[in-house]
Amino acid sequence: EAQVTQNPRYLITVTGKKLTVTCSQNMNHEYMSWYRQDPGLGLRQIYYSMNVEVTDKGDVPEGYKVSRKEKRNFPLILESPSPNQTSLYFCASSLWQGVGHEQFFGPGTRLTVL
Amino acid sequence: AQTVTQSQPEMSVQEAETVTLSCTYDTSESDYYLFWYKQPPSRQMILVIRQEAYKQQNATENRFSVNFQKAAKSFSLKISDSQLGDAAMYFCASKPGNQFYFGTGTSLTVIP
Repeated sequence: EAQVTQNPRYLITVTGKKLTVTCSQNMNHEYMSWYRQDPGLGLRQIYYSMNVEVTDKGDVPEGYKVSRKEKRNFPLILESPSPNQTSLYFCASSLWQGVGHEQFFGPGTRLTVL
Repeated sequence: AQTVTQSQPEMSVQEAETVTLSCTYDTSESDYYLFWYKQPPSRQMILVIRQEAYKQQNATENRFSVNFQKAAKSFSLKISDSQLGDAAMYFCASKPGNQFYFGTGTSLTVIP
């Protein structure tokens, strides 16, 4: 089954404790992206990657890191989480060429930073 | 800056009726893509419909259609014969280059 998976689905942590949210897709997509969703703000792009070893900042990259060492994986790293990073996070992937760049989304990760 | 504006935070529609959700966007690019996504209470993001800016014909997917006005930078979503399962948050999005930009969403309630 074609899908984007994220782990964990729910996470409660404390300020300053490094964490990683994993994202994996099995569709051989070149483009992968991370978003955060906050009430009243919609989805905002954090980072995106157009292929292996190619990453770029989105609109809200501060406090986040990413890496793209393999085509299928695109982890999101919070080196020192703060309460303002409490949010719902989505990973998404798409082909870079063709089919209208439709994004396939993961199920979301609910992060709470105390 | 690229922006997507959804001016209706909430909308409601009677079951079987038609509703239109508004979206405007701002881009200086000549080639871009536009999307409507649905987010039900499960939080899963589901693509409803997409439109390539170079295509003049409005996209249609079953009961969902768009009114794409390129000069006005408007991209509204029309839902015909509304069903209870259409109740969700709807997000408009644009992709003018390498990035995606989303609006703040419209929460649609379907009244039985």
